[in-house]
Amino acid sequence: ETVMTQSPATLSVSPGESVTLPCRASQSVSNNLAWYQQKPGQPPRLLIYGASSRASGIPARFSGSGSGTEFTLTISSLQSEDFAVYYCQQYNNWPPLTFGGGTKVEIK
Amino acid sequence: EVQLVESGGGLVQPGGSLRLSCAASGFSFSSYSMNWVRQAPGKGLEWVSYIVASGNIIYYADSVKGRFTISRDNAKNSLYLHMNSLRAEDTAVYYCARGGATGNFAGYWGQGTKVTVSS
Repeated sequence: ETVMTQSPATLSVSPGESVTLPCRASQSVSNNLAWYQQKPGQPPRLLIYGASSRASGIPARFSGSGSGTEFTLTISSLQSEDFAVYYCQQYNNWPPLTFGGGTKVEIK
Repeated sequence: EVQLVESGGGLVQPGGSLRLSCAASGFSFSSYSMNWVRQAPGKGLEWVSYIVASGNIIYYADSVKGRFTISRDNAKNSLYLHMNSLRAEDTAVYYCARGGATGNFAGYWGQGTKVTVSS
């Protein structure tokens, strides 16, 4: 099973700042990596697929990069609506599909 | 507009059974693979099961293998999850999620249905 690791579990950021969220895979997942945003009481929302392709309707301030085992999600100029939990998910070595444990971006 | 609406959740005793449904609309359901993903209270996301568009390829997480059965009815645009021998650790919100066209990422999610296993 490919283990996805997201650390730290929480990041404190001020509005307007940029933040980079890391995600590491225990083995190569090529570029088959997705990022999701989840707010309390809501389902996850797809942000990025293919490691760097933005999903439909996702603002340009969200960008993804990486390949193999190291990936990052960058949110530039954080808006109030961006404070949420972010998950990475690999879909290269499956089953099982595996998610990272999530990183919560909170207001500093 | 793509819509996925889950139903069938509720309170069930340990060892009991439940059937979840997911009604799909706004896209060609028969052309897409589907997944069930769950989220225990205060926890992260856990993939549960996958079914290909035609229904003839199915996968399960080890944690539910032998207890859960995924199925679909393309004529009714519906996805199902039959859950047997339920345990306390199956308590979660269960989401149905549509697979992507270029890989098994979840482009669309339902709002989820809550399953509580407790005596």
